[in-house]
Amino acid sequence: DVKVTQSSRYLVKRTGEKVFLECVQDMDHENMFWYRQDPGLGLRLIYFSYDVKMKEKGDIPEGYSVSREKKERFSLILESASTNQTSMYLCASSSVYRDRDYGYTFGSGTRLTVV
Amino acid sequence: AQSVTQLDSHVSVSEGTPVLLRCNYSSSYSPSLFWYVQHPNKGLQLLLKYTSAATLVKGINGFEAEFKKSETSFHLTKPSAHMSDAAEYFCVVSSPSGGYNKLIFGAGTRLAVHP
Repeated sequence: DVKVTQSSRYLVKRTGEKVFLECVQDMDHENMFWYRQDPGLGLRLIYFSYDVKMKEKGDIPEGYSVSREKKERFSLILESASTNQTSMYLCASSSVYRDRDYGYTFGSGTRLTVV
Repeated sequence: AQSVTQLDSHVSVSEGTPVLLRCNYSSSYSPSLFWYVQHPNKGLQLLLKYTSAATLVKGINGFEAEFKKSETSFHLTKPSAHMSDAAEYFCVVSSPSGGYNKLIFGAGTRLAVHP
């Protein structure tokens, strides 16, 4: 089975801190995604990457950046954390050749609280 | 543009009774549609998918969904609810965007199952 692993389950950070959320997948998928999940809003796409060192903005990129130096790893960076970034963050991966039929595989999520 | 509307934010059923979670979509062409489930403190798990084959799709754990193009609906059903079905359910439409398929999520339906 494809596994998508997010390094932290819970994080508490202070306002203004630089925060790194890490995601690793083990199935050689080309595409990787970062979403945030908020009650009543479903999941919203922050950034995605379709190849190493490639990135594209999603629907809500403001206040975030990403890094993909290796195919299996996709990092989400909060440059200066703010309280409105308190949320559940979900990483996902998919295959270019199969995601229409198989959807994405999601990690378990990182619940970030900014105080 | 593609969009998804989940018609109920909360659904409550008794154990052993049928489950119906409603979803309407908007798509300018033949869509791929998915249902994902998220149990508390877990990532999203794919329940089932529709990708232009049979209109009645069977998924895991006894769930199924029927694609109705004339009604632009993709409702999720299960004949008999189990306590373990209590979770949040997301209806998702897949939208081609460049080299990948962008997932557009509904706001979610929280299913409660009572003894």
